[in-house]
Amino acid sequence: GDSVTQMEGPVTLSEEAFLTINCTYTATGYPSLFWYVQYPGEGLQLLLKATKADDKGSNKGFEATYRKETTSFHLEKGSVQVSDSAVYFCALSDPNTPLVFGKGTRLSVIA
Amino acid sequence: DADVTQTPRNRITKTGKRIMLECSQTKGHDRMYWYRQDPGLGLRLIYYSFDVKDINKGEISDGYSVSRQAQAKFSLSLESAIPNQTALYFCATSDLTASSYNEQFFGPGTRLTVL
Repeated sequence: GDSVTQMEGPVTLSEEAFLTINCTYTATGYPSLFWYVQYPGEGLQLLLKATKADDKGSNKGFEATYRKETTSFHLEKGSVQVSDSAVYFCALSDPNTPLVFGKGTRLSVIA
Repeated sequence: DADVTQTPRNRITKTGKRIMLECSQTKGHDRMYWYRQDPGLGLRLIYYSFDVKDINKGEISDGYSVSRQAQAKFSLSLESAIPNQTALYFCATSDLTASSYNEQFFGPGTRLTVL
């Protein structure tokens, strides 16, 4: 079945550092790909998405590109802030199945 | 007002008690989901429903049941709670359209503690 693998955390960075969180997937079809973010004490909210190969999703300075050839959707940000501290989830969706989530990566940004 | 609401937000109960967690949505979505979140395990799907007459088991349905009372309401029950059901529970909704691609919208979560 479909699956998502993302790098384990926790990841600790200094403010203004470059962030990469790796995500790879296995799917039989052509899924849509998502990054969700969970801030402390809150539910998950969509950060960005990409619906076909070579699409780039972006939001709040974060970016991820749908790479079909490497089955990857890595999350990047050029300069993280303390307010980016959260848990990040990579997920995929086929039209007739629920989202399949990775296990999440906790990011801590220190000033 | 929030589009997806969950009640209660926090609940402490004892082993063997019956517990119901409720989810309501105003997004008009057909699809609804229940997940649990445990530290280090991400989100695991308990049950999902693609419309009012449709109920499907997820990855970890044992010990849980659900009821889809209406398009807007989806309840999760623990018939006889046990301590390893202590977790954070999330409800989510989605709608499959050309623009949404089955994007899911989450409620704020219910923190359940079973003593």
